[in-house]
Amino acid sequence: DTAVSQTPKYLVTQMGNDKSIKCEQNLGHDTMYWYKQDSKKFLKIMFSYNNKELIINETVPNRFSPKSPDKAHLNLHINSLELGDSAVYFCASSQLLSYDRNHYEQYFGPGTRLTVT
Amino acid sequence: RKEVEQDPGPFNVPEGATVAFNCTYSNSASQSFFWYRQDCRKEPKLLMSVYSSGNEDGRFTAQLNRASQYISLLIRDSKLSDSATYLCVVKISSGSARQLTFGSGTQLTVLP
Repeated sequence: DTAVSQTPKYLVTQMGNDKSIKCEQNLGHDTMYWYKQDSKKFLKIMFSYNNKELIINETVPNRFSPKSPDKAHLNLHINSLELGDSAVYFCASSQLLSYDRNHYEQYFGPGTRLTVT
Repeated sequence: RKEVEQDPGPFNVPEGATVAFNCTYSNSASQSFFWYRQDCRKEPKLLMSVYSSGNEDGRFTAQLNRASQYISLLIRDSKLSDSATYLCVVKISSGSARQLTFGSGTQLTVLP
């Protein structure tokens, strides 16, 4: 039933480790995103994929690597985790409505709360 | 200057009050505008789109002033369940990329 799901919901790990967060959407959308929300609640886009093709790649360290095996999945792999990576990571998806190109909604997953110690 | 700026609040209002949030955006190429709502420790969810002529959805009224690059959200007859963070969001499209830029949010607490 869940539209956009992420695993794990909570992730606590030590500095220097490598971790992955998985995201899946069952809405049939063509575009998926990763956002980072820091402790000040500022939500910032990291990556966007459209039909498995990377279309938005904001300035993030190259320790972050998204992977989209198909258009329903967008995973985020993080190498050499640092304290500053601690945040909530949200996956989202969207589909541009063909009849109204100025109206569309992004559906967010429940978030993954990453804590790096 | 941030691309989307909001008063962070917090706004603490009694039940039944009317409260208004403002937002300004810096990119004049912004095409579409939205208000999202984010409950504590939850994901953001679309509250309403904002249309040029202004629009209303029940107790919620959104307005857009493109000349001033200003968006507002008015909540009438506040309910306890309206307590949340309200995110002002603008959309810019470039090719196949449709990017939302979020404000940092305005926190609202409705008090009994």
